Amino acid sequence: DQQVKQNSPSLSVQEGRISILNCDYTNSMFDYFLWYKKYPAEGPTFLISISSIKDKNEDGRFTVFLNKSAKHLSLHIVPSQPGDSAVYFCAASALNDYKLSFGAGTTVTVRA
Amino acid sequence: NAGVTQTPKFQVLKTGQSMTLQCAQDMNHNSMYWYRQDPGMGLRLIYYSASEGTTDKGEVPNGYNVSRLNKREFSLRLESAAPSQTSVYFCASREVAKNIQYFGAGTRLSVL
Repeated sequence: DQQVKQNSPSLSVQEGRISILNCDYTNSMFDYFLWYKKYPAEGPTFLISISSIKDKNEDGRFTVFLNKSAKHLSLHIVPSQPGDSAVYFCAASALNDYKLSFGAGTTVTVRA
Repeated sequence: NAGVTQTPKFQVLKTGQSMTLQCAQDMNHNSMYWYRQDPGMGLRLIYYSASEGTTDKGEVPNGYNVSRLNKREFSLRLESAAPSQTSVYFCASREVAKNIQYFGAGTRLSVL
């Protein structure tokens, strides 16, 4: 039973526009959320995270929003660049848990 | 700046053969992890080691064994490979302070 869901397998966006990636979770014990980015033939790399005590975290072009009541988070990339074309994974963990639960990933393609 | 190193990068096995995937990290992290990535499934945890001397099952442990050789090294063994174990395997280690996992480049395994 997947506790973290990314319901959009793919997203295509024009260069310079906003990319919005969505993630839903079912486990109310989750209190820390991360986004990872993965290029082909490479391992996932950490992108940005957010703790449940916040509803927004920003790092350059990347912003993550958390809506705890809806058990939903989103990643905004503004503006999108060709180098952002990759698979993005949403992940979550509970307090004091060593483990992460991952979503299935969303493949982002940025069109020139 | 090696981070997490996995060997081999590619491997082809016949059904019933055994092999060990190696993983080493140079970041002095206590916790290490083995995941598999399959299309549409995201990253699923096979086994993890919270600290040297301990190992625990993850979501999909059947058909695998692990050894935490020392603080740096965490190996994954397939005793009798099956076609269902065809996958990309990732090792990771965890930075406790930031609760971030860092991944190796992966091992692409095919079982014929």
